[in-house]
Amino acid sequence: GENVEQHPSTLSVQEGDSAVIKCTYSDSASNYFPWYKQELGKRPQLIIDIRSNVGEKKDQRIAVTLNKTAKHFSLHITETQPEDSAVYFCAASGRWFGNEKLTFGTGTRLTIIP
Amino acid sequence: SAVISQKPSRDICQRGTSLTIQCQVDSQVTMMFWYRQQPGQSLTLIATANQGSEATYESGFVIDKFPISRPNLTFSTLTVSNMSPEDSSIYLCSVEPYRQETQYFGPGTRLLVL
Repeated sequence: GENVEQHPSTLSVQEGDSAVIKCTYSDSASNYFPWYKQELGKRPQLIIDIRSNVGEKKDQRIAVTLNKTAKHFSLHITETQPEDSAVYFCAASGRWFGNEKLTFGTGTRLTIIP
Repeated sequence: SAVISQKPSRDICQRGTSLTIQCQVDSQVTMMFWYRQQPGQSLTLIATANQGSEATYESGFVIDKFPISRPNLTFSTLTVSNMSPEDSSIYLCSVEPYRQETQYFGPGTRLLVL
């Protein structure tokens, strides 16, 4: 089955600086890669996703890049703000092969230092 | 996205008892899933709730312990049976709406077993 590794487990960034979280996956059939943000005591919320036919996707201050050859994808947050502090989870699934279930990474606790 | 509700939002239960958690969506969805999230940990898929048929369980989870129902396209239940303190966790349902290749999470049920 799929295995997703996520690094780092914790990350502290000065407000206004950029943050990068990296994930690797094991199953070359995986083709859908969402990122979720989970604030304390709340549900995971989808913030951005990417499919394997695209190398990069951007939404305002958030971007995700995908390297299919190396089987890794990354979340980039620019101009970080205090409200970006949360736990971020990456995930992978092999949608085109009838496997809709998501395998999650272990999470990254991001702290923005004012 | 979809509006997802879960009941109860939290509960404290005695060991040996069972608790049924409900997940209700405001629109018909293709897929429904049940996850467990232990404190400070990632999301672990328990099972996929199939409409009109038996759920598909992940390795390490069995039907006798976590029976699941999905009588229609907008509702599912997860029962945690014969509970022990190790079952203390947050249980989340997620849904995949029609024509949307992504998952959205319910608010979760926080369970404490004494």
